[in-house]
Amino acid sequence: QTVVTQEPSFSVSPGGTVTLTCGLSSASVSTSYYPTWCQQTPGQPPRTLIYNTNSRSSGVPDRFSGSILGKKAALTITGAQPEDESDYYCILYVGSGTWVFGGGTKLTVL
Amino acid sequence: QVQLQESGPGLVKPSETLSLTCTVSGGSVFSGTHYWSWIRQPPGKGLEWIGYVYYTGSANYNPSLKSRLTMSVDRSKNQFSLKVNSVTAADTAVYYCATYNGDYLYFDYWGQGTQVTVSS
Repeated sequence: QTVVTQEPSFSVSPGGTVTLTCGLSSASVSTSYYPTWCQQTPGQPPRTLIYNTNSRSSGVPDRFSGSILGKKAALTITGAQPEDESDYYCILYVGSGTWVFGGGTKLTVL
Repeated sequence: QVQLQESGPGLVKPSETLSLTCTVSGGSVFSGTHYWSWIRQPPGKGLEWIGYVYYTGSANYNPSLKSRLTMSVDRSKNQFSLKVNSVTAADTAVYYCATYNGDYLYFDYWGQGTQVTVSS
């Protein structure tokens, strides 16, 4: 069973920069896993922010960026805004037509 | 702009079958680009990929759920559906239908989600 790991929670000050990460229990994350990052606010469906490691979805502010940092995929928010307080999920393609979601990171902006 | 709407019973008894339908508007289930997907979220927990069905009717499922799942496409109604057999309380969740874009490799459209509770 593939396990995708994320920080359970993170805090950032308004205007600050934060990097959330997405790892695998038994391997390094690479672009071959086509990392995707979704944002979810309470009571709403998720929306994709970043796909294929570092491509930004239409309408997503450029303060959101994706990358590979070391052995993990990363989502960086540069200049965090209060409206960025949300849950963030990483999704990895693990082959054979299957995807695995990470457990999510709850981001607090204060 | 594709829109997705889930529908189905909000309450299912243990050991019975959960059945949900996702109606597609603004697009066609004939699309060879999209994989018609289901994702769920138990109360207070994270998201779990359930599986997808392609316009040909071929499907792929989460290995941990595979033995209880059936997905299908109804071209005449522009819908796709999910069935989960032998449900337990652990299947209580918000169920989302979504499309996975096979060209750009991401979940590009999501339904609003529908709450399903398993209880007697």
